Amino acid sequence: AQSVSQHNHHVILSEAASLELGCNYSYGGTVNLFWYVQYPGQHLQLLLKYFSGDPLVKGIKGFEAEFIKSKFSFNLRKPSVQWSDTAEYFCAVRLRRALTFGSGTRLQVQP
Amino acid sequence: DAGITQSPRYKITETGRQVTLMCHQTWSHSYMFWYRQDLGHGLRLIYYSAAADITDKGEVPDGYVVSRSKTENFPLTLESATRSQTSVYFCASSEPQGIPHGEQYFGPGTRLTVT
Repeated sequence: AQSVSQHNHHVILSEAASLELGCNYSYGGTVNLFWYVQYPGQHLQLLLKYFSGDPLVKGIKGFEAEFIKSKFSFNLRKPSVQWSDTAEYFCAVRLRRALTFGSGTRLQVQP
Repeated sequence: DAGITQSPRYKITETGRQVTLMCHQTWSHSYMFWYRQDLGHGLRLIYYSAAADITDKGEVPDGYVVSRSKTENFPLTLESATRSQTSVYFCASSEPQGIPHGEQYFGPGTRLTVT
């Protein structure tokens, strides 16, 4: 069965710091990759997705992610975080039907 | 309003009671899903449905029942609630994979507490 690992469970950054959240998945075939964000008290929203093509994907709010097939990774990055980026971030993989989620990374940005 | 809605948003129930969580989407998406969100586990799939009258188990289906008599509705029933089912439940919908923008759209969630 496929699995998704997010190694950073809780990240604390100061505003303007750069962000990179790791995501690794276990399946070796063709997958669709997603990053979702959940702001406090809200539902999940899609940040970005990768289906095929350019492995560097740009999403909303200045986020981007790079798909590295050889490393089975899909890390999320942002050059300069803001206090409003405080949220929980979930990496997800879709093989055929439903999504398999990582356990999430809680990002806390201090002003 | 278009979108995906869940009701109730908050529910407290007692062990052993039956409770049904409702999910409604207005996009006519083929696929609908139920996830539960627990600390340290992210979201785990309970059940999903590819179309009306077609449902299938996910990762953690035990203790749950679903139905899909209409495309737009996908209720989740806990037949005899247990404390371990205390969680936040998210419903989602999507078009089949291969459709452009075949991402999943999530509802606002239902916070269920079983006492």
